Amino acid sequence: DADVTQTPRNRITKTGKRIMLECSQTKGHDRMYWYRQDPGLGLRLIYYSFDVKDINKGEISDGYSVSRQAQAKFSLSLESAIPNQTALYFCATSDFEATGELFFGEGSRLTVL
Amino acid sequence: AQSVTQPDIHITVSEGASLELRCNYSYGATPYLFWYVQSPGQGLQLLLKYFSGDTLVQGIKGFEAEFKRSQSSFNLRKPSVHWSDAAEYFCAVGDLSGGYQKVTFGTGTKLQVIP
Repeated sequence: DADVTQTPRNRITKTGKRIMLECSQTKGHDRMYWYRQDPGLGLRLIYYSFDVKDINKGEISDGYSVSRQAQAKFSLSLESAIPNQTALYFCATSDFEATGELFFGEGSRLTVL
Repeated sequence: AQSVTQPDIHITVSEGASLELRCNYSYGATPYLFWYVQSPGQGLQLLLKYFSGDTLVQGIKGFEAEFKRSQSSFNLRKPSVHWSDAAEYFCAVGDLSGGYQKVTFGTGTKLQVIP
């Protein structure tokens, strides 16, 4: 099984709908992140969390919210989806103190019609 | 603010040929630098990283990168490309100041390998 698991892997929804993307990890890392990938723009940080009680906005947090339900779970919500939120979303974890490396899930492709 | 530039959006090389992917960064202090690879339908995987020490770093899958402070560059190289190297490659710079690990990614270079 993957160390960082994202569900769903693909989702098509309509404008105005509420969507939740879920992420769970078995790496035991405290730090978790949500990134958005758009063609030609690379990855941009939406939210990050250092532990269950510490959640911070990234560079493009407008229109998104998150919940850290446990050390291993970090969910991203779109309260009212719009077409320009169509993108590939990645959850990642890190063990900054050890290596600085980010460990990514396989991504959730979201299409908003 | 830190930033990363990957000037080549798309590169095509023949199998067996050498490869160099360019990366330039902007950062006020000694940077933490990374190269990640994204295969189709997959998440990103770390190829190699530079924190300090030897400026030539070796990574997985036969890749290496050289940190050149004077040129603010961290180019990725491979002497002989295999068809399985076809993927998108991202350079990234990390800001580890204040205990916060902020990683800024470049826009990526898509590598096509032809027979």
